[in-house]
Amino acid sequence: EVQLVESGGGLVQPGGSLRLSCAASGFTFSDHYMDWVRQAPGKGLEWVGRTRNKANSYTTEYAASVKGRFTVSRDDSKKSLYLQMNSLKADDTAVYYCVRVTVNIYSFDYWGQGTLVTVSS
Amino acid sequence: DIQMTQSPSSLSASVGDRVTISCRASQGISNSLDWFQQKPGKAPKSLIYAASSLQSGVPSRFSGSGSGTDFTLTISSLQPEDFATYYCRQYKSYPITFGQGTRLEIK
Repeated sequence: EVQLVESGGGLVQPGGSLRLSCAASGFTFSDHYMDWVRQAPGKGLEWVGRTRNKANSYTTEYAASVKGRFTVSRDDSKKSLYLQMNSLKADDTAVYYCVRVTVNIYSFDYWGQGTLVTVSS
Repeated sequence: DIQMTQSPSSLSASVGDRVTISCRASQGISNSLDWFQQKPGKAPKSLIYAASSLQSGVPSRFSGSGSGTDFTLTISSLQPEDFATYYCRQYKSYPITFGQGTRLEIK
């Protein structure tokens, strides 16, 4: 069974940093691109960023709203995905989801349960 | 950026109804579109990929169609568990973008 479990969310002050983790199980993690998607309270879904797999040199893509502040990374040996968030703003307050990307199709097939990040003083 | 526009934004329907939700892309995306269902307080669930292919385990009352700029999600006979918010997403180009959502409510 595919499982994605996020952790690391919490309350952080504006300008602060936080690192989210996503532990994957039940599939060959190293084969897949992995994404982060967020959802502000009462709002819709917003794509945050992507890490490709080793075959594609672990290259990354980001939404304009987070580029230069957030970094997506992965550790295939630990079957883990990360989101390093720096210079956090109130607008970054959201539930952050880890999402698996289907190999060669690039759709989203599995989502984690999400972790809440609150940026407030 | 490719803008994704869903219509309607909200919809009231009854159990057993046939429901259609539309999603329009601001430029052609071939069939690089998927649909998700989200219930309050829960993570989204993937329903349809490549515009018309059903994800494993998704009931056959859900179907998707379209290509290019215009897409449709159809629920052939609404069940009580289908009342939720539905989102489309394009993955043709970066940045990946979602529709604003369609809230499906019980009439």
